[in-house]
Amino acid sequence: GAVVSQHPSWVICKSGTSVKIECRSLDFQATTMFWYRQFPKQSLMLMATSNEGSKATYEQGVEKDKFLINHASLTLSTLTVTSAHPEDSSFYICSARDAGPSSYNSPLHFGNGTRLTVT
Amino acid sequence: QQQVKQSPQSLIVQKGGISIINCAYENTAFDYFPWYQQFPGKGPALLIAIRPDVSEKKEGRFTISFNKSAKQFSLHIMDSQPGDSATYFCAASVATGTYKYIFGTGTRLKVLA
Repeated sequence: GAVVSQHPSWVICKSGTSVKIECRSLDFQATTMFWYRQFPKQSLMLMATSNEGSKATYEQGVEKDKFLINHASLTLSTLTVTSAHPEDSSFYICSARDAGPSSYNSPLHFGNGTRLTVT
Repeated sequence: QQQVKQSPQSLIVQKGGISIINCAYENTAFDYFPWYQQFPGKGPALLIAIRPDVSEKKEGRFTISFNKSAKQFSLHIMDSQPGDSATYFCAASVATGTYKYIFGTGTRLKVLA
């Protein structure tokens, strides 16, 4: 089945530093990837849609200068949390769809998430 | 109109019982309805999904019932097991364009041994 790999699984950083999270589709190509944020015991909040070779589309209220997204290839998207602060501490999850010929019926596949703690 | 309402927020079921989680939507453009299962500290995993051209889909112990006129769909877990204890999210999307998913608020299921 389709596998989405996310790295790192957890990271602790100091306030003011930047953190990069990688999301890779291991066995399929993904023209579009999605980045979500999840607070404890809450639903998934879509942050942005990452498009291969073009700028990401951010949801309302998400600071694009704070959360930099780069989708450099069909299998890799990165989320960089810049100048992280304690309120950025959260669970970040990426997802991707197979962009192949049968993509109409293909669902979103999620990575295992990254737990970010900013001290 | 983009919301997906999910209930109940939490559910406790005895082992062997039936777990039922309900979702409702407003946007009639939605045409793909997946259910995801999430364990603590993990990303959501696709459980089962349905399109509005069928009223029911069954995969093993998991069944989706879909009522297009009422704009409602539900997940039934038959013979619930302690290993099913997790958070379940319904979602809805339009199967064109970016396929952006709108998620429900989640249901925390606990199956008692």
